[in-house]
Amino acid sequence: NAGVTQTPKFQVLKTGQSMTLQCAQDMNHNSMYWYRQDPGMGLRLIYYSASEGTTDKGEVPNGYNVSRLNKREFSLRLESAAPSQTSVYFCASSAQGQPNTEAFFGQGTRLTVV
Amino acid sequence: AQKITQTQPGMFVQEKEAVTLDCTYDTSDQSYGLFWYKQPSSGEMIFLIYQGSYDEQNATEGRYSLNFQKARKSANLVISASQLGDSAMYFCAMRELGRGSTLGRLYFGRGTQLTVWP
Repeated sequence: NAGVTQTPKFQVLKTGQSMTLQCAQDMNHNSMYWYRQDPGMGLRLIYYSASEGTTDKGEVPNGYNVSRLNKREFSLRLESAAPSQTSVYFCASSAQGQPNTEAFFGQGTRLTVV
Repeated sequence: AQKITQTQPGMFVQEKEAVTLDCTYDTSDQSYGLFWYKQPSSGEMIFLIYQGSYDEQNATEGRYSLNFQKARKSANLVISASQLGDSAMYFCAMRELGRGSTLGRLYFGRGTQLTVWP
């Protein structure tokens, strides 16, 4: 019963490097999310995908790109990492975005950009 | 404007006492859902409780209850009989019905750090 799986769990990047955070869910959910969590800021939405083939910017999309590869997978790419992108990243998924469906979260990725 | 406001960065409560964590929200939708999540120091996000905008009764889950006041747009979490293991960050969240690409978006507050002392 995997739920939402994120990889990697930890990553250190140098400024300017690129990387992709992977996320997969096995609950047949339509909606998937990428959030970043910073101290005192709560979880802020980076990108959102309401269904396979659709993506939409959230509150803080600059410096990120996403791909909804299929229904299961939603990846987040940092093309040129910056120290401001040091954060904890969470992927989440939920059933078709009806108000009464909770979101399930991955374990998080702790990213440090030096 | 913030969709979810949690005004208490930190709260302290003695073990076995009850505590209320505040949450107000902003939406013009008639249909929406309100959620509370717990994040212990280990980092995972744990779903606690849900309240729908059309629910007339306040939601309860064990020691957790949600004090829903629709006219005031508040959805406070009440934890009864606090335990040391309740020490964690607590997030309030809202999902609106939305339209098109905003369908199902989930908005979070900044969180309240709860500390339970013996």
